[in-house]
Parts: sequence; C-alpha cells; structure tokens
Amino acid sequence: EPEVTQTPSHQVTQMGQEVILRCVPISNHLYFYWYRQILGQKVEFLVSFYNNEISEKSEIFDDQFSVERPDGSNFTLKIRSTKLEDSAMYFCASKGDSQNSPLHFGNGTRLTVT
Amino acid sequence: AQSVTQPDIHITVSEGASLELRCNYSYGATPYLFWYVQSPGQGLQLLLKYFSGDTLVQGIKGFEAEFKRSQSSFNLRKPSVHWSDAAEYFCAVGASGGYNKLIFGAGTRLAVHP
Repeated sequence: EPEVTQTPSHQVTQMGQEVILRCVPISNHLYFYWYRQILGQKVEFLVSFYNNEISEKSEIFDDQFSVERPDGSNFTLKIRSTKLEDSAMYFCASKGDSQNSPLHFGNGTRLTVT
Repeated sequence: AQSVTQPDIHITVSEGASLELRCNYSYGATPYLFWYVQSPGQGLQLLLKYFSGDTLVQGIKGFEAEFKRSQSSFNLRKPSVHWSDAAEYFCAVGASGGYNKLIFGAGTRLAVHP
C-alpha cells in the first residue's frame, strides 16, 4: 500500500537555525498537510496545501513557517529561525481528491530544538 | 468552533476484555469522523472513518465505531483486546469535502495487561 514518507525521522537543531522537514506524499494525492504534536499534547493542524498554494493555515503557522512543493514529489516544511517551543513531532499527510478520501499520515519527524 | 473531546486520558484493560473508547465532538454540520491509532514512535494509522450511511462502521484490526448524532458521539469499540492494541488512540472530526482539515482530540492511551 502506498505510504507517506518523511525524512529525517529525527532532527536536532540549535535555536535560531533553519530547518527543512521533508515529505513525499502518496503519488496521486492532491491535498497536502502538516500537523504537529508537542510531547504529551494533541495533534494540531498547521497548514493545508492544494494546487500549489496554501488553502488554510492555523495561528501556529506564523511567518517563521513556510511550505513548498519544489517538484512533483516532495512537500517541505521550513522553519526559518527555530525556537525551543518548536520542538515537536511533525506529521505530513496527504489526501486524494475524492470527497471521501481520508488523510494518510507519515511516521513523523521528531524535531528537537536545543 | 469545531472540537473533539476524549474524556479518558488513560485506560487499562486486560487482554481479551472488551474495550470502548469515548469520543464526543462539536461540529455545526454533518461531520466526517475518524479514529486513528499511534503506536510508540510511529505515525498515525487510520482505523476507521464515518462519512454517511450506516452509523456502525467497521475498521481494521477488529475495531468498530458507532456514530450517534443525538449524543454527538463516535465511540470506538473492540470486543476482545489483544496486547498489540496497546497504543494511543485519537478521534478526529473533519469538514465534508475539499481539503478536509482534521481536528483531533487529546487522545486516549490504552494499556493492555496480560
């Protein structure tokens, strides 16, 4: 069964550094998402992306965050200047274009900001 | 505003016992409802979904859930729990159609005693 893949599985970075989290969605999917889960807390929506533009973003997704689909297969989340509170598990998800298609999640990237 | 409440943070059951995980949602229209499972260090795996029709839905791994509009609930059940079911379970609600952003509950951590 096709999967959403995320790399790296774990990233450690220093506060103030830029990080790029990478995702390869399922190949025929058209909707892409980033969610995050701070340790011990619920999974939170960050951003959705469709037709090469952001369709919705949450309050968390401020100017420090950006997303890009640089080619036909990758979907990236960039954090320009990381803060300690950005430490979390970041999940990528994708969805087909059928109205009843569920979201398929990757295994996540654990980001640790020191 | 949309929200999902999972009243039980932790549940412990014995292997072979029945299981019910509670989920209540708040949503202004007909919701799309989901249960996801997260094993330690893993991503979110879809167990089952409800879009319309039969209010009792069957999922993978022997799980089922029942949508009760009058109670705004979507409880997850399994008649006989296996040790491998120990994980965290998330209920989520989404809008119909389109990019279907999901709102997650806080999760219920399930422990299974032998």
